[in-house]
Amino acid sequence: QQQVKQSPQSLIVQKGGISIINCAYENTAFDYFPWYQQFPGKGPALLIAIRPDVSEKKEGRFTISFNKSAKQFSLHIMDSQPGDSATYFCAASKGQAGTALIFGKGTTLSVSS
Amino acid sequence: GAVVSQHPSRVICKSGTSVKIECRSLDFQATTMFWYRQFPKQSLMLMATSNEGSKATYEQGVEKDKFLINHASLTLSTLTVTSAHPEDSSFYICSAGNFGQGKGGANVLTFGAGSRLTVL
Repeated sequence: QQQVKQSPQSLIVQKGGISIINCAYENTAFDYFPWYQQFPGKGPALLIAIRPDVSEKKEGRFTISFNKSAKQFSLHIMDSQPGDSATYFCAASKGQAGTALIFGKGTTLSVSS
Repeated sequence: GAVVSQHPSRVICKSGTSVKIECRSLDFQATTMFWYRQFPKQSLMLMATSNEGSKATYEQGVEKDKFLINHASLTLSTLTVTSAHPEDSSFYICSAGNFGQGKGGANVLTFGAGSRLTVL
């Protein structure tokens, strides 16, 4: 049973547009929700993360929206740039020390110029 | 910031041989490290959790005798793929927990750059 469901699988956005990736989780014990960005042949890099005590977190062009009651969270990339073209993974964990991240299946984003 | 170094980045080996992959936390101590496996265009699948000084905890379906994990120090964990076969070819990624060191005391997992294993 997949604990973190991510959609869409792939996304094409024009330069300057908004990219939106959605994730849903099932385990209510999760309390840490990061987004990772991965370029081909590289390890994932932390982009932004949120805890369920806030509904939104913004860092630069990246925003996480969190809906605890719906058990959903999303990543918004404003003013998308070709350099944002990568695979994005949402993840979840229980947050305490020693707990692994459970990843969604990933979204491949292509930003066309 | 926290840095995790993984070595080698690429390795090609013959079927039946064993390959060791190292994961080092360079500027912090990691009591816990995680090993993931990623197939092309797929997600990261957790293989095992490695705790310093104790036996690793393997996820269901992961053969502990095939994938030997050792976490002998607070900065080094190793994954040895024993008697490798072509189906073991994959991208192996480690991550180390910089727990409590993120913003607001958040737990941050930093990933290595990954190791591409090709078994001929």
